[in-house]
Amino acid sequence: GAGVSQSPRYKVAKRGQDVALRCDPISGHVSLFWYQQALGQGPEFLTYFQNEAQLDKSGLPSDRFFAERPEGSVSTLKIQRTQQEDSAVYLCASSLEYWGTQTGELFFGEGSRLTVL
Amino acid sequence: GESVGLHLPTLSVQEGDNSIINCAYSNSASDYFIWYKQESGKGPQFIIDIRSNMDKRQGQRVTVLLNKTVKHLSLQIAATQPGDSAVYFCAENGSAGGTSYGKLTFGQGTILTVHP
Repeated sequence: GAGVSQSPRYKVAKRGQDVALRCDPISGHVSLFWYQQALGQGPEFLTYFQNEAQLDKSGLPSDRFFAERPEGSVSTLKIQRTQQEDSAVYLCASSLEYWGTQTGELFFGEGSRLTVL
Repeated sequence: GESVGLHLPTLSVQEGDNSIINCAYSNSASDYFIWYKQESGKGPQFIIDIRSNMDKRQGQRVTVLLNKTVKHLSLQIAATQPGDSAVYFCAENGSAGGTSYGKLTFGQGTILTVHP
């Protein structure tokens, strides 16, 4: 596609529910990132995939957060037993460059806004 | 000045003025810095980047200045237009030990409002 596509754009969940957020990166981009953006804050790194390999998951806040990219293209961020503090915009970004490249442009999607009641 | 939580720094300018947005970074391991623009309801959009071996880089209507001595980054926008109104974030790669472009630490952001 022309850009990074995320779905759903908006998700309301009751506390304790599981949610799944989808990211379709730009075709051919090897790198895929997930960021979390709380209201009024800058994005915070969650995890990184190089093709299908999850090379860094140091930013995932708890073991309730899980991400996958099984075929090296589409990625899903899953949050189990959602809590109110999980409310945020979840941003996906993709890039042509590999992890160890020193410079490169991230192309962000419009994000999935999660509200946990 | 500093801000916490929802109280982002704001900058209001008139159309045609030059704008300067400032950012302080904390990680001396950072060797790559980027400015992003984020419009309401959208993801961040890359504006310009700079590596630590440079102190100035120019793009179209934008200039980034890097002062490593005081760990300060600035974005200058020439002839600011209403379409430039957005939140601007600086970002650094120090959390990756300066080895990757993609694991970024973002600043809190500055709201730029351009009045016609």
